[in-house]
Amino acid sequence: AQSVTQPDIHITVSEGASLELRCNYSYGATPYLFWYVQSPGQGLQLLLKYFSGDTLVQGIKGFEAEFKRSQSSFNLRKPSVHWSDAAEYFCAVGGVSGTYKYIFGTGTRLKVLA
Amino acid sequence: NAGVTQTPKFRILKIGQSMTLQCTQDMNHNYMYWYRQDPGMGLKLIYYSVGAGITDKGEVPNGYNVSRSTTEDFPLRLELAAPSQTSVYFCASRSGTGKEAFFGQGTRLTVV
Repeated sequence: AQSVTQPDIHITVSEGASLELRCNYSYGATPYLFWYVQSPGQGLQLLLKYFSGDTLVQGIKGFEAEFKRSQSSFNLRKPSVHWSDAAEYFCAVGGVSGTYKYIFGTGTRLKVLA
Repeated sequence: NAGVTQTPKFRILKIGQSMTLQCTQDMNHNYMYWYRQDPGMGLKLIYYSVGAGITDKGEVPNGYNVSRSTTEDFPLRLELAAPSQTSVYFCASRSGTGKEAFFGQGTRLTVV
């Protein structure tokens, strides 16, 4: 069955520290992979996406993610976190032609300490 | 550029009442989706549509209905509201050639 796992429910980092949010997926084929961010009371905004090619993808707000097929992972990273990065982050797979649907992880809530 | 617009933003319903959550997009996207978001559960797909006149069930369709009479609109209907339907509802859309979904701002529904 297709699934997405985000093992960390909550993560707290200090402002200026580096960040890595984990995402593992189970999918029958090479998936399309996404990271979305949700600020309190807001909708989901796309941070970055991977379809094919270079396994390190750059997104908005200084985020990047690396696709590792052997580990079925798509971890999100940022070298230096800003207080405004506090939000909930969702990893998702899908959108592959013929399936249309997206499967989301349960989210990781990021808290940033000043 | 409006994107995906959901109305209302907030609503309180009494048990047994009905309501329609509105969703419209101005990007001429073929695919539209309804998700519900519950704390610690991520987003669960309720219904989706691949074009006008075509809808299908997602993971959690019970208690909901949808229609897609136009490309732009994809309303979600709750016929007999139950406390279990207290949630935040998100509508999303995607083009036929694009791969990522675009989300509305959400509707926070409370059933009491």
